[in-house]
Amino acid sequence: DIQMTQSPSSLSASVGDRVTITCRASQTISNFLNWYQQKPGKAPKLLIYVASNLQSGVPSRFSGSGSGTDFTLTISSLQPEDSATYYCQHTYSTPPWTFGQGSKVEI
Amino acid sequence: EVQLVESGGGLVQPGGSLRLSCASSDFLFSGHEMIWVRQAPGQGLEWLSYISTTGNNIHYADSVKGRFIISRDNARNSLYLQMNSLRAEDTAIYYCARAGGYGDFSGGTHYYYYYMDVWGQGTTVTVSS
Repeated sequence: DIQMTQSPSSLSASVGDRVTITCRASQTISNFLNWYQQKPGKAPKLLIYVASNLQSGVPSRFSGSGSGTDFTLTISSLQPEDSATYYCQHTYSTPPWTFGQGSKVEI
Repeated sequence: EVQLVESGGGLVQPGGSLRLSCASSDFLFSGHEMIWVRQAPGQGLEWLSYISTTGNNIHYADSVKGRFIISRDNARNSLYLQMNSLRAEDTAIYYCARAGGYGDFSGGTHYYYYYMDVWGQGTTVTVSS
């Protein structure tokens, strides 16, 4: 099975900061990589699909990049409402479609 | 409104069984693959199971293989998870999610990109004596 490793596990940043979260796959997954945001007590929400495509309704300060094994989620200017945990997930080939362990962003 | 609503969670003793349901609305349920995901208290997301549109193709995480059974009823627009031989470590919030996606053709190969674009609110399962 493909393992997904995120870093950092947590970070603290200020409003307006540029924040970067990385996700590494244990083998190449091309661009079959999605990012989700989860706020406490809520279900996950799709942010980025197929590595770099912004889901409808998601603010443009969020962006994704990468291909192969290394991927990045960037928040260009951190806002208070971005406080959440972010997860990557691969959907390469057949399941299991594993998630990364999560990266908690605190303001 | 496109939505998924889980139900069936609750308190169950170790070794017991529970059946979760996920009711869909306002989209063509039969046209989408579906998955179950869980989240133990204070932990991350764990992918559990996948079912194809017709139910003919099914996959499970090793942690639940042989104990959990995913199924769907397209006539009822519903997804299910039968959970047997429950353990304390199965205590979690269980989410159903829709696999959206699109196809692409590149280099002589057809690809299909999946992403979980609709999630339910979750149902809580507690396994304890």
